[in-house]
Amino acid sequence: GEDVEQSLFLSVREGDSSVINCTYTDSSSTYLYWYKQEPGAGLQLLTYIFSNMDMKQDQRLTVLLNKKDKHLSLRIADTQTGDSAIYFCAERNYGGSQGNLIFGKGTKLSVKP
Amino acid sequence: ETGVTQTPRHLVMGMTNKKSLKCEQHLGHNAMYWYKQSAKKPLELMFVYNFKEQTENNSVPSRFSPECPNSSHLFLHLHTLQPEDSALYLCASSHNYDVAGRQETQYFGPGTRLLVL
Repeated sequence: GEDVEQSLFLSVREGDSSVINCTYTDSSSTYLYWYKQEPGAGLQLLTYIFSNMDMKQDQRLTVLLNKKDKHLSLRIADTQTGDSAIYFCAERNYGGSQGNLIFGKGTKLSVKP
Repeated sequence: ETGVTQTPRHLVMGMTNKKSLKCEQHLGHNAMYWYKQSAKKPLELMFVYNFKEQTENNSVPSRFSPECPNSSHLFLHLHTLQPEDSALYLCASSHNYDVAGRQETQYFGPGTRLLVL
C-alpha cells in the first residue's frame, strides 16, 4: 500500500536550521513534493524533487532524497518566525492510484524568537 | 490574479441546506482536483477532472456532487451534509493529469472552511 509518514511537530529557535523528515513506502514514486500551509490558508508548493536526484537546493531550502531508504527531508536554513507553518510531504506514483498525490499528515513547525 | 481562487472562504450550513463551492484557476491548466482536509488526517483526494471529464471519484458520498463546466472552473455542490463533513475543502489544478513530468505539479487554492451544524 501507499503511505507517507511524518513527525507531527518540530520546534526550533529563530536562526537555527530546521530539518523536517518524511518516509514513504511506494518505490515507484516519481516526484516528491514539499508543501507549506500557513494558518487559514491553502497549500503552497515549496519545492519538489525528481526521484533520480539526491539533492535539490533552492535558496534557504535543501531537499535530500535517499531513495534506497525511501526517506525525504526538507532543511530550512536560518529559520525565521515566518516559516512557522505546517509542512506536508507528498509523493506521486504511477501505481494503483493512477498518478495521484499521496500526502503525509503534515509536520507543524514552530519557530521561537 | 492569483493562480487558484476559491469562494467562499468560509461557509456555515445546516444539514438540510444546499450550497456550492467554487474554484477557478487562471493558470491555463487542464486538470482540477477537490481535496478534503480534516483535522489530524492526511489530505483526501475526492475528485479529479481532466479536460472537463471526471477521471477519479474516490468513493465520495453522493451528497457531494462535482461539476466542471470548463477547464477553468470547478464546483462542488453540497446537499444534506453531515457534521462530520466539516473540514477545509481545497481545490487544486495542474497542467495535465496522470502524465509524467513537471506538468503534473499541483497548485492549490486557499480553501473553503466548511462548518456543518
